[in-house]
Amino acid sequence: DTEVTQTPKHLVMGMTNKKSLKCEQHMGHRAMYWYKQKAKKPPELMFVYSYEKLSINESVPSRFSPECPNSSLLNLHLHALQPEDSALYLCASSQGFAGQQYFGPGTRLTVT
Amino acid sequence: GEDVEQSLFLSVREGDSSVINCTYTDSSSTYLYWYKQEPGAGLQLLTYIFSNMDMKQDQRLTVLLNKKDKHLSLRIADTQTGDSAIYFCAESPRGSTLGRLYFGRGTQLTVWP
Repeated sequence: DTEVTQTPKHLVMGMTNKKSLKCEQHMGHRAMYWYKQKAKKPPELMFVYSYEKLSINESVPSRFSPECPNSSLLNLHLHALQPEDSALYLCASSQGFAGQQYFGPGTRLTVT
Repeated sequence: GEDVEQSLFLSVREGDSSVINCTYTDSSSTYLYWYKQEPGAGLQLLTYIFSNMDMKQDQRLTVLLNKKDKHLSLRIADTQTGDSAIYFCAESPRGSTLGRLYFGRGTQLTVWP
């Protein structure tokens, strides 16, 4: 099983809202990732968690707040977003640091 | 970051072979990957090759690696309309922190019936 699940599939939020994206994997992977993808572009790395600790923050604005409650779950908390934050948000996981990354289906976020 | 280059578009007729090319810059890369992304979907790991290999075959997919020229290709035999998607090449350089992936811009493959 190489499945990474993400909820919700679609999300529309206003600039004053607070929402959360969720990601789950049951492959026993110890590294989990958040990516942002704009249309017709490759994914851009946002955050990396390793063994439930934040290891990389790619200078992401503080209106994005990641959380890793346990080894299977990864959340992305959203607050006071801007319209330019509208994108596909992808979660991925890997067994180790040089292992293959498996991606979820993504959450299509629209900020109005 | 690393520079991974791909051509942006490829069109083929159904039943023909498709070849998607990629060049990368870091000769120390450990793994090189091919991901497929269909419209509105996430990235699907299609195949990967370890840097000490020259070729890998998996059913209709053949990956060729030329380390001297830092050139990677993905050949899809008997291309079907369901193969229409964006294909991303990605490299994971040795020493890269936490398996950081460097993606190409993606090649849009269109398969005509």
